[in-house]
Amino acid sequence: GQSLEQPSEVTAVEGAIVQINCTYQTSGFYGLSWYQQHDGGAPTFLSYNGLDGLEETGRFSSFLSRSDSYGYLLLQELQMKDSASYFCAVRDDYGQNFVFGPGTRLSVLP
Amino acid sequence: DADVTQTPRNRITKTGKRIMLECSQTKGHDRMYWYRQDPGLGLRLIYYSFDVKDINKGEISDGYSVSRQAQAKFSLSLESAIPNQTALYFCATSDVPGQGNTDTQYFGPGTRLTVL
Repeated sequence: GQSLEQPSEVTAVEGAIVQINCTYQTSGFYGLSWYQQHDGGAPTFLSYNGLDGLEETGRFSSFLSRSDSYGYLLLQELQMKDSASYFCAVRDDYGQNFVFGPGTRLSVLP
Repeated sequence: DADVTQTPRNRITKTGKRIMLECSQTKGHDRMYWYRQDPGLGLRLIYYSFDVKDINKGEISDGYSVSRQAQAKFSLSLESAIPNQTALYFCATSDVPGQGNTDTQYFGPGTRLTVL
């Protein structure tokens, strides 16, 4: 089976940089995805890493190290609107369905 | 218009009642999913369907059933609702992996279900 671990909460101030880590265990690996979910809203896709290295999309970047079974989401120039929960996800052992981590709640303070 | 829609958005019902949650999508995806989310927890897969004739149980299918009426429609039923099925329910769609896509799931807005 698969399991993912993330910190439950992270707090940072506006304008700062924050890193949200994700470690995973899965026998078959097909990439690591990140989703953002605001309170009461639906999860929305942020980024995907299929290979090692850094993927950058505006203020958000995501990193993957397959040898370490580890990835992170980096949020720069934090804004109040970034306050949300962030989930990492991998595909299951058969490469079909997604398995989500428990989520990290980010609070951005003024 | 939203690509993935869910009805109803909110529902309060009583123990023992039958409930149906509906999901429609205009993304043209073959793959559809139903998830449950409990406070402070991640998303858990209830059922998934990779095409109209292919329906599979997920991690927590007990107490639930589904119907894939068409490529665009996937409904979730609670035959006899119980209080611990109170949760936020999401429908999602995705493309087939490995076809040049970014392995994205597209979620509906969610249905908040309360079972008294």
